[in-house]
Amino acid sequence: AQSVSQHNHHVILSEAASLELGCNYSYGGTVNLFWYVQYPGQHLQLLLKYFSGDPLVKGIKGFEAEFIKSKFSFNLRKPSVQWSDTAEYFCAVNRWAGTASKLTFGTGTRLQVTL
Amino acid sequence: EPEVTQTPSHQVTQMGQEVILRCVPISNHLYFYWYRQILGQKVEFLVSFYNNEISEKSEIFDDQFSVERPDGSNFTLKIRSTKLEDSAMYFCASSDMGILRANEQYFGPGTRLTVT
Repeated sequence: AQSVSQHNHHVILSEAASLELGCNYSYGGTVNLFWYVQYPGQHLQLLLKYFSGDPLVKGIKGFEAEFIKSKFSFNLRKPSVQWSDTAEYFCAVNRWAGTASKLTFGTGTRLQVTL
Repeated sequence: EPEVTQTPSHQVTQMGQEVILRCVPISNHLYFYWYRQILGQKVEFLVSFYNNEISEKSEIFDDQFSVERPDGSNFTLKIRSTKLEDSAMYFCASSDMGILRANEQYFGPGTRLTVT
């Protein structure tokens, strides 16, 4: 069974600080990796995704993530956070398949950006 | 931009009652999902649906739960006899066909179910 670990539950940063949120997954096969964001009162939105190719993927709003296969990791980064980045961030994984498959989510990291 | 919609946004029901949560997936999507998030916990997969049948379900999705696509646009989750522990935010999601696109799931805003 696949599982996802997010070790940072609550992160508080000042504006302009750099961000790195950890995500590790457990699955023996080929996976697709995702970061979703949930702004207060809003629904889950896809930030970025990795299917194959360049392990450094860029998403919306200046976020990027690096897939390191040997470490089973897919950490999210942003060089300079803004107050508007305050939200909950979820790492998710599903197995690569020719058809759809379920997403397994991490427990989420609540990011609070202070002015 | 097309989006997944869900109704109602908040449903309050008494224990033992039946509830139906409704979703309208993105119109050209063919895969549909339900997830739930109990307050303070992670988002959990319930069920996926394709070609008018369940393609995968979790242990949570027991006989109290059912899904249906009654027409060309709606996708519903029914809980036959609600329990207190069914209180959660329920998210619907949909995805496209294609080897890669089928794995990118778009989520609705959720229905908060409160069982009293």
